[in-house]
Amino acid sequence: EAEVAQSPRYKITEKSQAVAFWCDPISGHATLYWYRQILGQGPELLVQFQDESVVDDSQLPKDRFSAERLKGVDSTLKIQPAELGDSAMYLCASSLDPWTGGFLTGELFFGEGSRLTVL
Amino acid sequence: KQEVTQIPAALSVPEGENLVLNCSFTDSAIYNLQWFRQDPGKGLTSLLLIQSSQREQTSGRLNASLDKSSGRSTLYIAASQPGDSATYLCAVKGGTYKYIFGTGTRLKVLA
Repeated sequence: EAEVAQSPRYKITEKSQAVAFWCDPISGHATLYWYRQILGQGPELLVQFQDESVVDDSQLPKDRFSAERLKGVDSTLKIQPAELGDSAMYLCASSLDPWTGGFLTGELFFGEGSRLTVL
Repeated sequence: KQEVTQIPAALSVPEGENLVLNCSFTDSAIYNLQWFRQDPGKGLTSLLLIQSSQREQTSGRLNASLDKSSGRSTLYIAASQPGDSATYLCAVKGGTYKYIFGTGTRLKVLA
């Protein structure tokens, strides 16, 4: 069964260090999302890509976070420097282009997430 | 600005009970609503997707309904089992193709 792949599953780092997360969406999914989820809360969108273009990064702390999806397939989310408040689960999700597909157009599929702990 | 609320925040029920989880949203102009399950430390698993033109969707013991005019969705779980214990989240997709999530309902089914 097709799935969204993420790595690493767990990352422990010290503050001021750089961290990077990788995501490979389901094949053929044009839309890719990075979410951050703090314990006990729902996921919050950091950045949304349509193919290789950023559609929404209004909630991405651009002074320290960056995201890219150079060839419109896999994506990398980077944090530099990491801060204590960045400790969270970083979730990647993908979906079909909303203008194509059939009945399941727009369904969101998540990876297992990357748990970040900043010490 | 779309806001999504889930009540109750936590629920504990004995095995075999039928239960209803609630999701409410403030802006009725949505494309779809999706229910997810999340086990501790894991990602989200899609349960049901309801398009804006639909009233309900069913999968096994799960049934989700959507009432756009009142800004509400319910997830009905029949004959609950201990394996159903998890956090259930709803997410609403609006005009910007952005999903807005609720904070979830933590369900515990007691054996």
